[in-house]
Amino acid sequence: KAGVTQTPRYLIKTRGQQVTLSCSPISGHRSVSWYQQTPGQGLQFLFEYFSETQRNKGNFPGRFSGRQFSNSRSEMNVSTLELGDSALYLCASSLGGGRGQETQYFGPGTRLLVL
Amino acid sequence: GENVEQHPSTLSVQEGDSAVIKCTYSDSASNYFPWYKQELGKGPQLIIDIRSNVGEKKDQRIAVTLNKTAKHFSLHITETQPEDSAVYFCAASAGGNQFYFGTGTSLTVIP
Repeated sequence: KAGVTQTPRYLIKTRGQQVTLSCSPISGHRSVSWYQQTPGQGLQFLFEYFSETQRNKGNFPGRFSGRQFSNSRSEMNVSTLELGDSALYLCASSLGGGRGQETQYFGPGTRLLVL
Repeated sequence: GENVEQHPSTLSVQEGDSAVIKCTYSDSASNYFPWYKQELGKGPQLIIDIRSNVGEKKDQRIAVTLNKTAKHFSLHITETQPEDSAVYFCAASAGGNQFYFGTGTSLTVIP
């Protein structure tokens, strides 16, 4: 079974631009979560999508948004990029059907550099 | 919200020795505690997890213990090997798929 894939793997943008990252979950997984990983803050939860609906949200500004499509693929968008948005953005998928915690499988991440 | 603290931030051990990484959490509602291993250039990979109705879980050379009263859990790696060198993260969740992560421990196993 193919793992979680993320595109692109690397991205360079300038301040003020916007960016869209893509995540394809493991086949059959309906939940997709996004995390921001930085050396100073570690892994921080951005949001989770299940059945095309945002189910959980972390403490990030509204510049960070996401969506999920009917095939469970997800995109996240960051508008008006700031230098501090430079990070590794990780996507994780899980089955998503239950209310309890499930094993999450992470993709390799998209490394975003904002200049 | 939940706050997860992880220690130490770096750890060096001789090959064959044991390594122990400790985490504490603040939310008594947290009931699921996974551990992840992240190698350079890759996303975190689940290596072991424990739920709050269990005090200890073991998988070959890896074990996790949980003390709910003290709100701490630990990862134990025995007979360490060079391929165990990586960054290890603990996490806690009180429900759904919202996880709070520790800041990571960089483990180096010296051959």
